[in-house]
Amino acid sequence: GEDVEQSLFLSVREGDSSVINCTYTDSSSTYLYWYKQEPGAGLQLLTYIFSNMDMKQDQRLTVLLNKKDKHLSLRIADTQTGDSAIYFCAESKGTGGFKTIFGAGTRLFVKA
Amino acid sequence: DAGVTQSPTHLIKTRGQQVTLRCSPKSGHDTVSWYQQALGQGPQFIFQYYEEEERQRGNFPDRFSGHQFPNYSSELNVNALLLGDSALYLCASSLGVGVYGYTFGSGTRLTVV
Repeated sequence: GEDVEQSLFLSVREGDSSVINCTYTDSSSTYLYWYKQEPGAGLQLLTYIFSNMDMKQDQRLTVLLNKKDKHLSLRIADTQTGDSAIYFCAESKGTGGFKTIFGAGTRLFVKA
Repeated sequence: DAGVTQSPTHLIKTRGQQVTLRCSPKSGHDTVSWYQQALGQGPQFIFQYYEEEERQRGNFPDRFSGHQFPNYSSELNVNALLLGDSALYLCASSLGVGVYGYTFGSGTRLTVV
């Protein structure tokens, strides 16, 4: 089935690292994504990872994929107040028609 | 380079009415996907258009229909509006099906009263 689950809230202090977690149920998911949504705006693609990868790093962002546990995480180093937003995990399959399914989002609060 | 543009930004309709939302994809993109985002929820996939045809569809009733034009722009039509259709409607564009992710517009906020 198609289901992506995320915790609803995360609060961190400015300068700390944030880790946002996601689990997905479809083991055939081939592509996984992290998007960011700020108030009143659409979603912004942060990064993606393919199922043949375990880790991807892009500046302050590190994505870890554990295929065995169907677990995806996004680590934000040196979190800033501007990182306060909702972060969505999403999955897609390459077979049976391509569509991207989103989780409910994790709201990140960064305290100064 | 303009990203994805959606119009209108806000809309208020009465139950039972029909609405048309419009989307222009990012330059160079040929595929448009539509999502419904209820307050406090993640985006729910409605359908995807490529080469002027609906290629994939989510669990939405036939009241939701769409169209893609030769210039890749797209419309989302919703008939017989219900209160529960109130949401942010997001258009996302991509080159091909979107393996490398989507570019989203800022959305149309639809309120049904």
